[in-house]
Amino acid sequence: NAGVMQNPRHLVRRRGQEARLRCSPMKGHSHVYWYRQLPEEGLKFMVYLQKENIIDESGMPKERFSAEFPKEGPSILRIQQVVRGDSAAYFCASSPQTGASGDQPQHFGDGTRLSIL
Amino acid sequence: GDSVTQMEGPVTLSEEAFLTINCTYTATGYPSLFWYVQYPGEGLQLLLKATKADDKGSNKGFEATYRKETTSFHLEKGSVQVSDSAVYFCALSDTLTGGGNKLTFGTGTQLKVEL
Repeated sequence: NAGVMQNPRHLVRRRGQEARLRCSPMKGHSHVYWYRQLPEEGLKFMVYLQKENIIDESGMPKERFSAEFPKEGPSILRIQQVVRGDSAAYFCASSPQTGASGDQPQHFGDGTRLSIL
Repeated sequence: GDSVTQMEGPVTLSEEAFLTINCTYTATGYPSLFWYVQYPGEGLQLLLKATKADDKGSNKGFEATYRKETTSFHLEKGSVQVSDSAVYFCALSDTLTGGGNKLTFGTGTQLKVEL
């Protein structure tokens, strides 16, 4: 079974450009999560999605950031008009849908390292 | 809100030394607790988990016990190897509407094991 696939692994953008990060969950997983890791810090939750639905976006910045998980294709994290402070590693995770989800471990991709020039 | 506090690193040990990485948490309700490991340039890998008080999670010689009375989940290993060098993250999960769960992470503890 392929794991969580993220691409690109590294992305360089200039200030003001758009960044698109992609994530394909593990086969059979219907829950997708995005986390951001700033240098020397732990991961911070951004958003939780199921197919065609944003379930919880309490960790997303209110402006410039959006996420989707369409019926077909990967989940996309989109950052518009990037700024230097957006430089970070962005990780996607997925988990299966179960009745007792609180203890279902999330499986992480290798992340996208975003650098803003 | 929920939070996780880990001991600061880096922690430098000689091979075969005993390892303890402290982790305490603050949460409402009864979260599940996890340890994840991150090798350079990679994503996080689940190391072990515990879902209720007094549970002991174990894997690859690592273990941690869910202590509700002290709100702790300390990671231990009796004899570390050079290959254990990595960053270790303690995390708790909080159930979300829709059946998912949000992970709250500590800041991570870097472990360096030397020959």
